[in-house]
Amino acid sequence: NAGVMQNPRHLVRRRGQEARLRCSPMKGHSHVYWYRQLPEEGLKFMVYLQKENIIDESGMPKERFSAEFPKEGPSILRIQQVVRGDSAAYFCASSTRDTLGTIYFGEGSWLTVV
Amino acid sequence: DAKTTQPPSMDCAEGRAANLPCNHSTISGNEYVYWYRQIHSQGPQYIIHGLKNNETNEMASLIITEDRKSSTLILPHATLRDTAVYYCIVRGNTGNQFYFGTGTSLTVIP
Repeated sequence: NAGVMQNPRHLVRRRGQEARLRCSPMKGHSHVYWYRQLPEEGLKFMVYLQKENIIDESGMPKERFSAEFPKEGPSILRIQQVVRGDSAAYFCASSTRDTLGTIYFGEGSWLTVV
Repeated sequence: DAKTTQPPSMDCAEGRAANLPCNHSTISGNEYVYWYRQIHSQGPQYIIHGLKNNETNEMASLIITEDRKSSTLILPHATLRDTAVYYCIVRGNTGNQFYFGTGTSLTVIP
């Protein structure tokens, strides 16, 4: 897991607020993936991005959720108007183009909505 | 991507080999078998992957049957720190995302 940095590790938001989760991929990695894990459940794919492009967002909820991976800086997962059901662990992973088959995860960001 | 089937839970005595099975009967020719594990409250950790030949690294061995319809992850000398949920995933090398199933919860017993 070394190398993929996520912050904040823990975030508490009131219902209706916005949550922003950041992910810095491993050095040299240009592909980023976001997954969500609800309590006591498995990992669910959300979105796959390359620099400045969303490649696959088939797992993203249709409303309130967005993701970006700008040319400079970390990838951002943004959740607007959070609800209690958004409380979960959000994991980011990255890969290089050369090792497209293997992805490496960060330690996750735990969002709690109160 | 092909679907995988794993037992929901297994126990293993500390120091013994842990053998975790995975069925992937619909795997296609260009799909790899990957194994990850997730220790409680941590991010998933890559373990090993293979296409058709058996593979070994410092963490584990991967045995893939000749017809590629099943595989076994072997932890040769399980320790308490190996207690985790183990995920078997099949994925083409040009696929975009990994789909995680429910995995096998391995408990290593002292």
